[in-house]
This record gives sequence, C-alpha cells and structure tokens, in this order.
Amino acid sequence: DAGITQSPRHKVTETGTPVTLRCHQTENHRYMYWYRQDPGHGLRLIHYSYGVKDTDKGEVSDGYSVSRSKTEDFLLTLESATSSQTSVYFCAISSGTENTGELFFGEGSRLTVL
Amino acid sequence: QQQVKQSPQSLIVQKGGISIINCAYENTAFDYFPWYQQFPGKGPALLIAIRPDVSEKKEGRFTISFNKSAKQFSLHIMDSQPGDSATYFCAASPRDDKIIFGKGTRLHILP
Repeated sequence: DAGITQSPRHKVTETGTPVTLRCHQTENHRYMYWYRQDPGHGLRLIHYSYGVKDTDKGEVSDGYSVSRSKTEDFLLTLESATSSQTSVYFCAISSGTENTGELFFGEGSRLTVL
Repeated sequence: QQQVKQSPQSLIVQKGGISIINCAYENTAFDYFPWYQQFPGKGPALLIAIRPDVSEKKEGRFTISFNKSAKQFSLHIMDSQPGDSATYFCAASPRDDKIIFGKGTRLHILP
C-alpha cells in the first residue's frame, strides 16, 4: 500500500461544470501522475508532476489542468467538463526518485459527465 | 515509435492451462518492461517486471519472456486459476522517462 487516496471515488456531473479530483499521498514521493482509463484505450497519461509546482503534460492533456502546491496533493481539474471526459481516473506515484515504470495506483475516481 | 502493442485484447483459458499475453515495441531506448494486473474496481498493481539484460524472469506461476532482437516480450501464467481473471497491461519505459502502457488484455479463466 503506497498510501494513495483519491477523492471523490464517484462523481456525476453535467456538461460545462468544473470538476476537481484530488490525489493525496502520505509518503512524500516526488513523482505523481494522473491517468484516464477507457475501454479499448488502456491507460493514458493526462499530466504528471515531478515536484511542488512542477508539472508537465501527458498524451491526453487537452481539457485538463493540474496543480501541486504541496508534495502530498496532486489535483486534476476539468475546467468545463464534456461527455468525452466520462472515464475512470487513476492517480499514481512512482516509488523511486526517478520517473521510472514502478508505479503504484490509487483506487480510481469514476466520473460521469451527463 | 512510442507505442507498445499488446495482444490479444481478450483471452479465455481453462483452469490449469497456460495464459500467454504478448507485447511488442519499437523504441530501442526502452529499458524497463513491467506488467500490471488490474481487478475490477481496483487500480492496476505491479505484477512482475524485467530489464533487457535478461531473457526471462519468473515469479511463482508468472514468467516474463523477453526477446530483445525481436523487440517483443510476453507474460506467461502457468497453471492458470480463476483468481487470475483480471485485466493485464504490459508497459515499457526508457530510463527516467514516462511509462507507456499497452491497451490491456482481459483474461478470463474458466473454472
């Protein structure tokens, strides 16, 4: 257990509303990631962070923003949710000091945009 | 060049049989190849991983076979059990860069 908590775990919202998902870790890991999982697409990286206030885009970053003001918290924001953003969102951390493949995932946040 | 291609998309195996999932890659800079296992309603979890300096790694009933020249690697699950039913993702990453995931294989083991 890498001490990762995602909130909320489930959310239903309407098109055009803002949504923020929170990822909280308890072990001071440097690297944190947000992925979305959709049938037929696997896991796709949205954004990641390599330190406080240090973030970078992944392969599907359009429509999403992130913030990391504290080591333990990594927030994913959908400024104006669209139906195409209905998905399961996973936060992950890298256990090492490098941006390696050894990821530990949270339990996921299921978002439905009506 | 950044893709990891995984096959099959879904797989049904009889209890006690061998489950085989294959992955291929193009980027020769990849030097770490993990497999993740995901049960319904849960996040993926690291199952087993290999680096390209070895051709095989075994942990219990799970084995990764790695063919560097063909740029392919595979997961073998021996004596497959119903509890192995899950989605499996292969992945690859270069040193100190983002991991790339395959699209996943849904494995179902018949009791």
